[in-house]
Amino acid sequence: DTGVSQNPRHKITKRGQNVTFRCDPISEHNRLYWYRQTLGQGPEFLTYFQNEAQLEKSRLLSDRFSAERPKGSFSTLEIQRTEQGDSAMYLCASSLQQTVPNEKLFFGSGTQLSVL
Amino acid sequence: AQKITQTQPGMFVQEKEAVTLDCTYDTSDPSYGLFWYKQPSSGEMIFLIYQGSYDQQNATEGRYSLNFQKARKSANLVISASQLGDSAMYFCAMRLYGNNRLAFGKGNQVVVIP
Repeated sequence: DTGVSQNPRHKITKRGQNVTFRCDPISEHNRLYWYRQTLGQGPEFLTYFQNEAQLEKSRLLSDRFSAERPKGSFSTLEIQRTEQGDSAMYLCASSLQQTVPNEKLFFGSGTQLSVL
Repeated sequence: AQKITQTQPGMFVQEKEAVTLDCTYDTSDPSYGLFWYKQPSSGEMIFLIYQGSYDQQNATEGRYSLNFQKARKSANLVISASQLGDSAMYFCAMRLYGNNRLAFGKGNQVVVIP
């Protein structure tokens, strides 16, 4: 068990380009989350999957953002037509479903996106 | 909606001393859970401790303890016997029962000095 893995660790792109991030959760974890963290702030919820189903999306997730989790394993987060305001750390977390609200999330080290 | 407030400036702590990190929260919902996470410079968020709103006793996990004062809506984290590896950002978070979202505060920076 190597923990939650995110790739790439860093991404620099030009405004208007599309970017895709990948998250590999801990195996057998059926719940997967994406959060976004900007400088000096705590993480903000973006979206949540249970197995392959995307069950909740934040209003922060504009129509330029899309997330998938095919077959309930790894997940991708794509941002189309990036804007400078998209610059942030994108964190992925996974968990094995247990009684809420004491669910413990395991986070990856994040993908740091810089939009020039 | 829930709101988490962490307003302390960055803190320097002497190794082996205890440090208390303040967290207040605001919700009208009676059923919720409170969390503390640690974020070292490597970026990943590490779970430290959990307190449920109906728990009668304050939570403890090794060197971490949570001073839960429900009437004051505060959930302060106490780190005892600080170690150099405790240098990190610390985030307080809350989750309502039946909700999939963790709401985080802005964090507290802690630097442990030898």
